[in-house]
Amino acid sequence: QKEVEQNSGPLSVPEGAIASLNCTYSDRGSQSFFWYRQYSGKSPELIMSIYSNGDKEDGRFTAQLNKASQYVSLLIRDSQPSDSATYLCAVGLAWRGSQGNLIFGKGTKLSVKP
Amino acid sequence: EAGVAQSPRYKIIEKRQSVAFWCNPISGHATLYWYQQILGQGPKLLIQFQNNGVVDDSQLPKDRFSAERLKGVDSTLKIQPAKLEDSAVYLCASSLGTSGVTDTQYFGPGTRLTVL
Repeated sequence: QKEVEQNSGPLSVPEGAIASLNCTYSDRGSQSFFWYRQYSGKSPELIMSIYSNGDKEDGRFTAQLNKASQYVSLLIRDSQPSDSATYLCAVGLAWRGSQGNLIFGKGTKLSVKP
Repeated sequence: EAGVAQSPRYKIIEKRQSVAFWCNPISGHATLYWYQQILGQGPKLLIQFQNNGVVDDSQLPKDRFSAERLKGVDSTLKIQPAKLEDSAVYLCASSLGTSGVTDTQYFGPGTRLTVL
């Protein structure tokens, strides 16, 4: 059973702080890693993707990947109340060449307090 | 650029009834996905189409769910007969390329189904 694990939260941080969201995955063959943000009652939207070990930064967001530990994280710097949402970790698993699909975690609910 | 369109946005039915959902992907996108998202969980892939062919339907409950993508564009997902546990949001997504692993998937607004 291929799994993606996230703490469901809620994770509460004060405005301006760093929010740290974590995700572990079970399949060592996983090739791609995504963070989606989902506001309540809305559909998921992609905020970051990462494919190689290390850090990837995009504005206030930094994704970190450690394939040896099967761990991916998302840091949100200078958190804003508008960042309050559920963050979904998705892992891409290929079953033939580049053919495959995403497995999503249950998501971590983030609340940023003004 | 128009996003992924879905209809209806909400549907309430009795158990054992049938229901159909419609999805229009972003123009030119080759791959279309249907996901089921139960409250408090992440999306679960039901079926993946490339153009009008099925590439993965391993998690589709085929005794009650069916889907088609005619002419490689629009798609419909049908449930017949519905069960209480089918209550969920059904999300349609599309991607430009043919890799379900690396391509960015763009999600539609979803259809919230309630089965009574």
